[in-house]
Amino acid sequence: QSVLTQPPSASGAPGQRVTISCSGSSSNIGRNTVHWYQQIPGTAPKLLIYTSSQRPSGVPDRFSGSKSGTSASLAISGLQSEDEAVYFCAAWDDRLNGAVFGGGTQLTVL
Amino acid sequence: QLRLQESGPGLVKPSETLSLTCTVSGGSISVRYYYWGWIRQPPGKGLEWIGSIYYSGSTYIIPSIESRVTISVDTSKNLFSLRLRSVAATDTAVYYCARGAGPARDFDYWGRGALVTVSS
Repeated sequence: QSVLTQPPSASGAPGQRVTISCSGSSSNIGRNTVHWYQQIPGTAPKLLIYTSSQRPSGVPDRFSGSKSGTSASLAISGLQSEDEAVYFCAAWDDRLNGAVFGGGTQLTVL
Repeated sequence: QLRLQESGPGLVKPSETLSLTCTVSGGSISVRYYYWGWIRQPPGKGLEWIGSIYYSGSTYIIPSIESRVTISVDTSKNLFSLRLRSVAATDTAVYYCARGAGPARDFDYWGRGALVTVSS
């Protein structure tokens, strides 16, 4: 049971826009920024979004992040087949005094 | 380009100690503000943060397994290490080391991961 809650799956056709949600609480997302990672099977996670809405260098602007209250979202526009991966959200939890992750969302490009 | 590489035994017996090392190259582990963390992923499951360490030696460790975990740093060798005592089958996972932009921040560089299987 993950501290942050994500839908187990999401899907969309090429070119469409998909949103993945991440729900937390006042001790994590409510007080701290959210980070998003993309993991292609068999490889290490890759940082996609940091501090809720910032993109590291090299990440396409098709990826965007937002946060409101105790929830956060990752939006992917102009879906491409290469976007098929598992996406994880993460945040610091002040009550646990540690980093917590969501369970991951498997994105399928139809 | 910063590079992190995990190393250690791929098979550990139940009740024994899992030991992994993360060697950092392409940059210094003694840089201010950055923390160095361990994250694990059981087969087919999600990510679990284990703990992070600053070059000074201060650590944050997940409370649920804190009593079994030691994270240490060797700045002279530019590496940090994980020791997990009294392992069980549930500790079987891919163990990643990563650089954190701060204790509560994102992990921006990751190692490729090391699969550790706990089995007799």
